[in-house]
Amino acid sequence: AAGVIQSPRHLIKEKRETATLKCYPIPRHDTVYWYQQGPGQDPQFLISFYEKMQSDKGSIPDRFSAQQFSDYHSELNMSSLELGDSALYFCASSLWSGHHAEAFFGQGTRLTVV
Amino acid sequence: DAKTTQPPSMDCAEGRAANLPCNHSTISGNEYVYWYRQIHSQGPQYIIHGLKNNETNEMASLIITEDRKSSTLILPHATLRDTAVYYCIVRVSDSNYQLIWGAGTKLIIKP
Repeated sequence: AAGVIQSPRHLIKEKRETATLKCYPIPRHDTVYWYQQGPGQDPQFLISFYEKMQSDKGSIPDRFSAQQFSDYHSELNMSSLELGDSALYFCASSLWSGHHAEAFFGQGTRLTVV
Repeated sequence: DAKTTQPPSMDCAEGRAANLPCNHSTISGNEYVYWYRQIHSQGPQYIIHGLKNNETNEMASLIITEDRKSSTLILPHATLRDTAVYYCIVRVSDSNYQLIWGAGTKLIIKP
């Protein structure tokens, strides 16, 4: 069965650069969620989208932005990268926004800022 | 969402049942108990959830006490691939509210 696809799997950027992470949800899933997980930390919710509209916002820095497109894929844009942004970034999707608790997670993008 | 308490780590022998406890003494009547796991550096994986009745699926069983203040996730025949951090989360079911992840239990399956 198709799963949540994230790209790239690994990304190395320098401080102050920008990065774009992509997420392709499971077919027919209309809700996507973004999580950040620092080394040794628990996942922290960043933001979610339902039917291309922001549905919930967590601890997403102002330097980050995200959107969901008409084909339901989502992109997380990160600017002015800092060393502390180095983390695993997970995207998850669910059939509708009320099913956040049963969302399916992708394998993540490991971002390293040097 | 109600707060949960889990032991930080547990060991289990391969082939034996792994029983992971979770305390959620402040759980509300409309809150469910959800379990997830995260194998090292992979995305979290939903395992099972329940309200008050015991639940079983192909991955695990969930036993919830009658007063709903605690629960146990049971992996009936643990394998080395079950080594992961297991998270217990309490929340309302039909909600788009963010998941709040606690510290979880690091389960190590030993050969």
